[in-house]
Amino acid sequence: ETGVTQSPTHLIKTRGQQVTLRCSSQSGHNTVSWYQQALGQGPQFIFQYYREEENGRGNFPPRFSGLQFPNYSSELNVNALELDDSALYLCASSLEGWGLAGDTQYFGPGTRLTVL
Amino acid sequence: SQQGEEDPQALSIQEGENATMNCSYKTSINNLQWYRQNSGRGLVHLILIRSNEREKHSGRLRVTLDTSKKSSSLLITASRAADTASYFCATDRRNSGGSNYKLTFGKGTLLTVNP
Repeated sequence: ETGVTQSPTHLIKTRGQQVTLRCSSQSGHNTVSWYQQALGQGPQFIFQYYREEENGRGNFPPRFSGLQFPNYSSELNVNALELDDSALYLCASSLEGWGLAGDTQYFGPGTRLTVL
Repeated sequence: SQQGEEDPQALSIQEGENATMNCSYKTSINNLQWYRQNSGRGLVHLILIRSNEREKHSGRLRVTLDTSKKSSSLLITASRAADTASYFCATDRRNSGGSNYKLTFGKGTLLTVNP
């Protein structure tokens, strides 16, 4: 158990719809990162939030957006869903986004999104 | 884009045998970490090795890092059926401002340990 939870576990949407995925970080962890993992691939970094501000972004379009709240919860929002958005979405929390080299990230179990 | 490449893509061994997985990466790194993933679920952190370290042990795990070759290996000794999972290496690299800490993963090695 990593102390990081995600909801829902599974989700089915149709192309063009919007989706919100939720993550609850470990208490005290100021940083949350989101990753997309397509089938048979390694996780790809989407973006990171530190103290409610975006702290870096991977190669994902603006229709992927996020929010982080003071209560250590966060959201990943995806607009205008495409078939290729079907993947496992993972959030990971860590103590600090910078300053500590090798800060361990604790992953949640993921949300499996299927876009039809 | 993938930073690391694990080798082999799949490995099948018998319980009790040792399993060795390799990872190569392309750019300079701060640290390299190994994670395990069971059945497409969340990743579990196994071990971290810093760029100035060459070898690290944790229980049945042994990790080596060769920064001159940009490669790492993960050895699992005396494997068990419960070790069956996908194993990923992940590198981290900090930008010049010191922030934007992120992990870049390889595609993983699928390890099957047969009882």
